[in-house]
Amino acid sequence: EAGVAQSPRYKIIEKRQSVAFWCNPISGHATLYWYQQILGQGPKLLIQFQNNGVVDDSQLPKDRFSAERLKGVDSTLKIQPAKLEDSAVYLCASSLGDYNTEAFFGQGTRLTVV
Amino acid sequence: GENVEQHPSTLSVQEGDSAVIKCTYSDSASNYFPWYKQELGKGPQLIIDIRSNVGEKKDQRIAVTLNKTAKHFSLHITETQPEDSAVYFCAANPSPGGTSYGKLTFGQGTILTVHP
Repeated sequence: EAGVAQSPRYKIIEKRQSVAFWCNPISGHATLYWYQQILGQGPKLLIQFQNNGVVDDSQLPKDRFSAERLKGVDSTLKIQPAKLEDSAVYLCASSLGDYNTEAFFGQGTRLTVV
Repeated sequence: GENVEQHPSTLSVQEGDSAVIKCTYSDSASNYFPWYKQELGKGPQLIIDIRSNVGEKKDQRIAVTLNKTAKHFSLHITETQPEDSAVYFCAANPSPGGTSYGKLTFGQGTILTVHP
């Protein structure tokens, strides 16, 4: 089966600019996660969706980050305006359901803010 | 919230040797402990996981042990091969009730290098 698809793979922007990342989860997976992975660290959860509803966004910096999953399938994560410390790999993951199902990760989008 | 500590940060072994990576967690409500392997430029890939009602699980050359009383779990790789070289992450699920297996707190990672 096809895995989690993310685009773009790489993005370089200047600070204070906006950027958006796209994720297409594995077909049929109801739960979608966005993680931020700063170089040399483990991934950190930003937001979790169940279908098109937000389950947990407690670690999302809502003053500059936003995410949506309008039709319960694809999702976009946006940063506006970007800061230097937002430089990281943004990983999308999906799982079949919220309960007792493993998460599968995409390859990620590497963001560099200069 | 949950805190996961992982050691060592780097591990270098000779091909054929065993490798052990250890993690501790803080939230006694966590009940799912996966291990992910991340190769350069790729996303994390699940290699093995263990649930809190099990003390040990093995899959070919990879095994994981869990001690819930001490709140620590370990990854054991036997007969290491150069293709095992990667960054390994442990994780724990911090959800109340512990049933959201994709909602994870990760350790800091271990860079494993297997020398031929």
